[in-house]
Amino acid sequence: EAEVAQSPRYKITEKSQAVAFWCDPISGHATLYWYRQILGQGPELLVQFQDESVVDDSQLPKDRFSAERLKGVDSTLKIQPAELGDSAMYLCASSLRPLAGAGELFFGEGSRLTVL
Amino acid sequence: DAKTTQPPSMDCAEGRAANLPCNHSTISGNEYVYWYRQIHSQGPQYIIHGLKNNETNEMASLIITEDRKSSTLILPHATLRDTAVYYCIVTSYNTDKLIFGTGTRLQVFP
Repeated sequence: EAEVAQSPRYKITEKSQAVAFWCDPISGHATLYWYRQILGQGPELLVQFQDESVVDDSQLPKDRFSAERLKGVDSTLKIQPAELGDSAMYLCASSLRPLAGAGELFFGEGSRLTVL
Repeated sequence: DAKTTQPPSMDCAEGRAANLPCNHSTISGNEYVYWYRQIHSQGPQYIIHGLKNNETNEMASLIITEDRKSSTLILPHATLRDTAVYYCIVTSYNTDKLIFGTGTRLQVFP
């Protein structure tokens, strides 16, 4: 069964360092999402792509976070500089078509970031 | 999107039905009810969704009240592997994103 691939699975970094997460969605899925999940909370949407275009990045802290999906396939989420409060699980998800009643996002295993 | 209210935690005996409630009293006519679950240290997993009618699939059943202000996710025979956080999400046909709350932590015990 096709899966959303994410790497690294775990990342420990010191504050002020740069960190990057990679996501490869299920083949053919045009829509890609990045979520952040702080321990004990539900996932929070950071950015949504449709193909290579950003559809919604209203919750992305743009002073330190950036996301790209240059060829409309895989995507990278970058944080620079990392802060202590960025410690969280970063989840990538993709969907075949607009949710619009179809309803299914496929999530990866996530990348757990610890900032020291 | 309509806000949802779920109990923070529930327990269920293995083999029994788990009934997880969700209140969405401000739901509007074009909004769907979705359920996802998240097993510890994994990404969320889609379970089921519906608009008005009750729905059933191989994982669960979704019962939506006639006024659509609340719903119940039913796991007919809970197993230990069903221990997870269950999220009830309401979103519109035109909204291409899911906004998660804090969900219900279901603990299935032997």
